Amino acid sequence: NAGVTQTPKFQVLKTGQSMTLQCAQDMNHNSMYWYRQDPGMGLRLIYYSASEGTTDKGEVPNGYNVSRLNKREFSLRLESAAPSQTSVYFCASSERLGGIGNQPQHFGDGTRLSIL
Amino acid sequence: QKEVEQNSGPLSVPEGAIASLNCTYSDRVSQSFFWYRQYSGKSPELIMSIYSNGDKEDGRFTAQLNKASQYVSLLIRDSQPSDSATYLCAVKGGNAGNMLTFGGGTRLMVKP
Repeated sequence: NAGVTQTPKFQVLKTGQSMTLQCAQDMNHNSMYWYRQDPGMGLRLIYYSASEGTTDKGEVPNGYNVSRLNKREFSLRLESAAPSQTSVYFCASSERLGGIGNQPQHFGDGTRLSIL
Repeated sequence: QKEVEQNSGPLSVPEGAIASLNCTYSDRVSQSFFWYRQYSGKSPELIMSIYSNGDKEDGRFTAQLNKASQYVSLLIRDSQPSDSATYLCAVKGGNAGNMLTFGGGTRLMVKP
């Protein structure tokens, strides 16, 4: 009963390094999302995928790329990490785009990323 | 101006009291409203959704929506220490389309 699984849970990078955050869901959901959460800022949408084969920019896409590898997996890549990208990253999924009350977005446990 | 505003808190209430959490939003055509609870170091969890003006009750939780005032609130009756968490207000519809726009969250502390 995994739900949404994110790896890694913690990561420390140096400025300029690259890395990929992995996300997989086992609920057969169509839509997937990447958010970042900074203190006092709530969750901000980075990218989303309405369905397999499609991706779109959210509120804060600069410095990130995504890949919807298949229906289960949605990865987030930082090509050249910057200290401003230090944050907690959450992946989420939902049956329908945006999620609704009885079919909400389900979140993974987050990846805590520090960039020095 | 942020699209969804919440007082960051902390809001401190004694055990057994009513906790009142407030949220205002700027996009008048927003259609759906949600409250998520997030324990420290954990992921957000949906606890309430509301779509029409008025009150919606679920156990100890009541969500209130006033679209004319662009205001949504969450009341927690008989607050318990286990309710201590950050509560995120999220709004869907309007300019954001199907996406959720989150407020910054209010930290609630329930003291025994």
